[in-house]
Amino acid sequence: GNSVTQMEGPVTLSEEAFLTINCTYTATGYPSLFWYVQYPGEGLQLLLKATKADDKGSNKGFEATYRKETTSFHLEKGSVQVSDSAVYFCALIRERGGGADGLTFGKGTHLIIQP
Amino acid sequence: DADVTQTPRNRITKTGKRIMLECSQTKGHDRMYWYRQDPGLGLRLIYYSFDVKDINKGEISDGYSVSRQAQAKFSLSLESAIPNQTALYFCATRPGGSYNEQFFGPGTRLTVL
Repeated sequence: GNSVTQMEGPVTLSEEAFLTINCTYTATGYPSLFWYVQYPGEGLQLLLKATKADDKGSNKGFEATYRKETTSFHLEKGSVQVSDSAVYFCALIRERGGGADGLTFGKGTHLIIQP
Repeated sequence: DADVTQTPRNRITKTGKRIMLECSQTKGHDRMYWYRQDPGLGLRLIYYSFDVKDINKGEISDGYSVSRQAQAKFSLSLESAIPNQTALYFCATRPGGSYNEQFFGPGTRLTVL
């Protein structure tokens, strides 16, 4: 079956530090990959996505590249801010036939940015 | 106004009680989903629906049932709640077609005593 593995948290960084959150996946076929972010007390919001190998998703200074050879989709940001503090989820959806069967999520990484 | 709404936002109930969580959307999407979130476990899919007549079990459907009353409404029921169903529940919607993102509601925090 499908699975997503991401680094355990919490991850604590100082403001302006470089961020990497690792994500690897297992899936048959060609999944689409996503990063979602959950701010305190809120639902999940899409941060970025990639739908095929070598695609790079980017948004709000965050980037992730779909690496089929290493089955990875690591999230990076060059200079984090306090407002980036949140829980980040890596997820995949394996397109199947005429539809999709819901997202498979990693366990989430809690990111804490200190001023 | 929020595109995906959930009611109630918080609920405390007792073991054995029947509970219904409701989800409504104004996005016009065909596909709707229910997930639960537990600390350290991420989100797991309970049920999903491609349209009013197409409902499918997800990864953890035991102890839950759903009803798709209309394109815009998708309810999750716990027939006899138990403490290990204490969790944060999210509804999500998605347009048909490939590669489209899911849009999440704000969540319902359910506590079963």
